[in-house]
Amino acid sequence: QKEVEQNSGPLSVPEGAIASLNCTYSDRGSQSFFWYRQYSGKSPELIMFIYSNGDKEDGRFTAQLNKASQYVSLLIRDSQPSDSATYLCAVKPAGNQFYFGTGTSLTVIP
Amino acid sequence: DAGVIQSPRHEVTEMGQEVTLRCKPISGHNSLFWYRQTMMRGLELLIYFNNNVPIDDSGMPEDRFSAKMPNASFSTLKIQPSEPRDSAVYFCASSPSGSKYEQFFGPGTRLTVL
Repeated sequence: QKEVEQNSGPLSVPEGAIASLNCTYSDRGSQSFFWYRQYSGKSPELIMFIYSNGDKEDGRFTAQLNKASQYVSLLIRDSQPSDSATYLCAVKPAGNQFYFGTGTSLTVIP
Repeated sequence: DAGVIQSPRHEVTEMGQEVTLRCKPISGHNSLFWYRQTMMRGLELLIYFNNNVPIDDSGMPEDRFSAKMPNASFSTLKIQPSEPRDSAVYFCASSPSGSKYEQFFGPGTRLTVL
């Protein structure tokens, strides 16, 4: 069983819609959760992190964490064509090791 | 800070040749990670160092791959001999110690083995 699982997509949404990206993880001891965005040909860049159960909002992005269900999600409101990228979920148990999902490819259609 | 620095950015070599990829982490970061990314397999962790000591090298595919971190500001990933299936983008990332810190990725080295 993989440590972190994501729906690989591709996910397509029309411009202005809400994009919902999901991630599940297997280690109940995981403490920190990160969402990275990766444009084609570029390196991953951090867009959101969350440590506590509930929602965390930053502009058009909302990260949601449910530790009981071992589930973390990313909502992108008012999706723009510039949001088209691959989104990687990363989970960090206690310590310094990171576990990445395989990524979800998002396309926002103008 | 300049961020994580990797060199070369692109490398084209022939099968059987030795390849050395280099990484300079962000100053003050205690952890360094080498990843390989392909379309088929996504982002794979190859090896992870903490305070210059290799902690987990279970992702290194075989003995042809080796990595070193002689000091806090430099790491190398070597492939000898290289094979066409090693063609991928290799990322180096660094992070401060502690569970609440994210990784910062370098720009990557695109390796093509002919």
